[in-house]
Amino acid sequence: GQQVMQIPQYQHVQEGEDFTTYCNSSTTLSNIQWYKQRPGGHPVFLIQLVKSGEVKKQKRLTFQFGEAKKNSSLHITATQTTDVGTYFCADSGSSGNTGKLIFGQGTTLQVKP
Amino acid sequence: KAGVTQTPRYLIKTRGQQVTLSCSPISGHRSVSWYQQTPGQGLQFLFEYFSETQRNKGNFPGRFSGRQFSNSRSEMNVSTLELGDSALYLCASSSSGRNYGYTFGSGTRLTVV
Repeated sequence: GQQVMQIPQYQHVQEGEDFTTYCNSSTTLSNIQWYKQRPGGHPVFLIQLVKSGEVKKQKRLTFQFGEAKKNSSLHITATQTTDVGTYFCADSGSSGNTGKLIFGQGTTLQVKP
Repeated sequence: KAGVTQTPRYLIKTRGQQVTLSCSPISGHRSVSWYQQTPGQGLQFLFEYFSETQRNKGNFPGRFSGRQFSNSRSEMNVSTLELGDSALYLCASSSSGRNYGYTFGSGTRLTVV
């Protein structure tokens, strides 16, 4: 079946350093969504990418969708302690309009102050 | 605007018992999805309901079932509990499905002993 893979699994950075997580799919993605889950919390929707090569920014966060729509990335510039958490990508379109998300395993970010 | 409400927050059950979890979506949201989150398997899709109809189902045994009521509230039931069912069960709602991101509830932490 379809798989969504994320790397790295864990990342420890010093506050102020940049961070990137990568999401790769075994099949072409229709749409990709990104979520953040704080420790002890629940996933919170960040953004959805739909178009090939799309780039979207939210303050220090930059999201990219690959040209072939088989990969995506999230880059955080100058990390802060508030960025701590697990970042998930999720395929949101391969099952049609049926509300099924296929999540990657997530990248857990630790930020040392 | 109230978020997605899940009850109860914590639950301890014995093997062989059954359990019912409840989810109240954001007002106006007709799509409700359920996910199981474990450290080993990550976030896995259970099923999704839209206007009282199950539109999609994940790869879980028949012991896992759900339903949605006319007011969009949803319940999921797990019968004959096994130790491996211990997990965080998350409910997510959306106005129509895949295109606008999902709002997750805080989850129900189920422990099977």
